[in-house]
Amino acid sequence: GQQVMQIPQYQHVQEGEDFTTYCNSSTTLSNIQWYKQRPGGHPVFLIQLVKSGEVKKQKRLTFQFGEAKKNSSLHITATQTTDVGTYFCAEGSGNKLVFGAGTILRVKS
Amino acid sequence: GAGVSQSPRYKVAKRGQDVALRCDPISGHVSLFWYQQALGQGPEFLTYFQNEAQLDKSGLPSDRFFAERPEGSVSTLKIQRTQQEDSAVYLCASSLNPPDIQYFGAGTRLSVL
Repeated sequence: GQQVMQIPQYQHVQEGEDFTTYCNSSTTLSNIQWYKQRPGGHPVFLIQLVKSGEVKKQKRLTFQFGEAKKNSSLHITATQTTDVGTYFCAEGSGNKLVFGAGTILRVKS
Repeated sequence: GAGVSQSPRYKVAKRGQDVALRCDPISGHVSLFWYQQALGQGPEFLTYFQNEAQLDKSGLPSDRFFAERPEGSVSTLKIQRTQQEDSAVYLCASSLNPPDIQYFGAGTRLSVL
């Protein structure tokens, strides 16, 4: 079935350092969505990318969709303690979301 | 309501017991989804409703799992004869219409002993 692979599983950074998580698929993705889940919380929608090569920014967050639409990345510049949580990519496939396993981000202050 | 509401937040069940989990979607949202999230994993799709019609139940892991949305609003996910492997967080999400943004509830954490 469809699979969206996400790396790394876990990253621990010093506050102020940058962070990147990657999402990869063996097949072409129709779109990619990114969600953030705080510890003990629920997934919260961040952004959707649809077009090949698309780049979107939200303050310190930069989202990219690969030219071949088989990969995506989320980059956080100068992490803050409020950035902690698990970041998931997901493909909107028909009537459902297919999620990656997520990248857990911890930030040391 | 302001968001997707799920109850109970926590449920402890003895193995073999039946459980019912409730989801109250955002008012006016046509689409409703159930996901299962195991510890350390991403949410996995269970089933999808458009209004009262269950259009996709391909993710339900066994015939012990049953979902309904009889009036096109509140939905109930029922698990019969619970097993330990059913322990997970069950998330409900709603959207105006796919592929619109899905808004998730806080989830029900089910522990089967």
